Amino acid sequence: AQTVTQSQPEMSVQEAETVTLSCTYDTSESDYYLFWYKQPPSRQMILVIRQEAYKQQNATENRFSVNFQKAAKSFSLKISDSQLGDAAMYFCAYRSARSGNEKLTFGTGTRLTIIP
Amino acid sequence: EAQVTQNPRYLITVTGKKLTVTCSQNMNHEYMSWYRQDPGLGLRQIYYSMNVEVTDKGDVPEGYKVSRKEKRNFPLILESPSPNQTSLYFCASSPNEKDTQYFGPGTRLTVL
Repeated sequence: AQTVTQSQPEMSVQEAETVTLSCTYDTSESDYYLFWYKQPPSRQMILVIRQEAYKQQNATENRFSVNFQKAAKSFSLKISDSQLGDAAMYFCAYRSARSGNEKLTFGTGTRLTIIP
Repeated sequence: EAQVTQNPRYLITVTGKKLTVTCSQNMNHEYMSWYRQDPGLGLRQIYYSMNVEVTDKGDVPEGYKVSRKEKRNFPLILESPSPNQTSLYFCASSPNEKDTQYFGPGTRLTVL
């Protein structure tokens, strides 16, 4: 079974600085998808970024980028120029590319605080 | 607007009183799932559905039922709720297994 580990329960960063959230995963599959979801105080789950395992290029969405290391099974999220609105719980998630159950396997989350 | 809706958003009930949490999506997605979120555990899948009349268990199905009679709706049924089902519940949908899952706003359930 796949597992996702987020070893940082809490992180904080000064506004306008850069922060990196860590995520590692365990799988025997070679084709899969990785995601970062943001959960602000409103509790809505918002997709931040998506990475396809067969693509070597790291995904980027504006101030958000990932460092995807397939051999190391590592998928970290970098937030540049942190803003107050980035304060949230961040979840890393894995999804197999096999047909069938489209379950997301989530990590336990990292709570990010932005210091003004 | 493309969205996943859930009702109710908040519910307080008592042990043993049957309840249903509705989920509806307007994106014609084939795949729908239910998750529960508990502190320190992240989100865990309860049930999923790959299409109308096709449902299966996720990781934590005990105490829950689902049905998929129409493509857009995927209700979660708690026949006899217990306090350990107090949680935040999310419904999600996606076009297929390769696409991103879109989440509803969540339902906060408290079972006394």
